[in-house]
Amino acid sequence: NAGVTQTPKFRILKIGQSMTLQCTQDMNHNYMYWYRQDPGMGLKLIYYSVGAGITDKGEVPNGYNVSRSTTEDFPLRLELAAPSQTSVYFCASSPNDRPSFNEQFFGPGTRLTVL
Amino acid sequence: AQTVTQSQPEMSVQEAETVTLSCTYDTSESNYYLFWYKQPPSRQMILVIRQEAYKQQNATENRFSVNFQKAAKSFSLKISDSQLGDTAMYFCAFMKHVPGSEKLVFGKGMKLTVNP
Repeated sequence: NAGVTQTPKFRILKIGQSMTLQCTQDMNHNYMYWYRQDPGMGLKLIYYSVGAGITDKGEVPNGYNVSRSTTEDFPLRLELAAPSQTSVYFCASSPNDRPSFNEQFFGPGTRLTVL
Repeated sequence: AQTVTQSQPEMSVQEAETVTLSCTYDTSESNYYLFWYKQPPSRQMILVIRQEAYKQQNATENRFSVNFQKAAKSFSLKISDSQLGDTAMYFCAFMKHVPGSEKLVFGKGMKLTVNP
């Protein structure tokens, strides 16, 4: 299993540009999450999904959109990028059955800079 | 809303020594989970240990153990026989036990350096 994969690893955007951060997991997990990590801070939840076709906002959803058309994929869309969105973005997934139902498995992250 | 506080921003320890990382949290929930995640320089988030609030027994995983004090809302991580590979950021995290809403709330993290 590759686990949770994210692309790209790094990206520089200009203010106002848009992009999609890709996230794929091959563990057949129902739950998927997007977090952002600002320098010197913990992770903050942007959006999450409990299954295909179901998404919900987290703590910091403004400026982002998500979709979940398949179990495997959970892309994060940035519209009109702003410098405040400069951060490292992590995707995670978790199963919804024991014994690991609350363990989140993280991807390697995408470092995004908006200039 | 739940909050997680890690008051020590940075610590260092000598190899083979024992170190304790502190974490406090605030919640009105009675049933929840607590976690310690490790983030080495590679940036990969790795689960170290987890504790279910309804369990009185402290969780242990090899060299890692926790001191869970529910009444005090305290959840510290003890690392025994520290190794160079333990050098990382450590994050304490909280999750409510609400099916369909298993969201993690993270503390700001603490940088641990293990010196040879």
